[in-house]
Amino acid sequence: EPEVTQTPSHQVTQMGQEVILRCVPISNHLYFYWYRQILGQKVEFLVSFYNNEISEKSEIFDDQFSVERPDGSNFTLKIRSTKLEDSAMYFCASRGAVMGDDTQYFGPGTRLTVL
Amino acid sequence: QKEVEQDPGPLSVPEGAIVSLNCTYSNSAFQYFMWYRQYSRKGPELLMYTYSSGNKEDGRFTAQVDKSSKYISLFIRDSQPSDSATYLCAMKGYGQNFVFGPGTRLSVLP
Repeated sequence: EPEVTQTPSHQVTQMGQEVILRCVPISNHLYFYWYRQILGQKVEFLVSFYNNEISEKSEIFDDQFSVERPDGSNFTLKIRSTKLEDSAMYFCASRGAVMGDDTQYFGPGTRLTVL
Repeated sequence: QKEVEQDPGPLSVPEGAIVSLNCTYSNSAFQYFMWYRQYSRKGPELLMYTYSSGNKEDGRFTAQVDKSSKYISLFIRDSQPSDSATYLCAMKGYGQNFVFGPGTRLSVLP
């Protein structure tokens, strides 16, 4: 069964460093998302991406964040200068283009630890 | 009032019990409702997806939506220890992004 994959599973970085989190969405999906989940808190929407551009972003997704689909398979989240409060699980999700089906499939997540 | 509320638990039940998990919401524009299961340090796994009031059944799981009361439920029959996880409700309006509840931790004791 097709699935969303994410790498790395765990990333440790120093405050102020740049990190890139990588995702490979399900191959025929067209809509891509990043979510964040701080330990013990709820899943929060960051950004949605369609047709090579951001569709929507939350107030969390400030200028430190960017997303890119550099090729036909990868979808990346870059945090330019990490802060301690960026420590969280980051989930990538994707969905297809079937009318009326908003089902999003999540990857296993990348745990980001900022020291 | 939070947009989506969910009893955080933890909820502990014996194996074989019927489990009822609930979410309430305040935004009447929400039309699409999902239940996800999340094991510790893993990504959310879709369990049920529905967009209309009423019941939807899939195996041991039944999702119930009552839009008039802004209330959704997930029932798990014959619960198993492997059902022990955090259960997240998520919902959205047309053209919007999903809003997640904080999750309910469930423990099914053998």
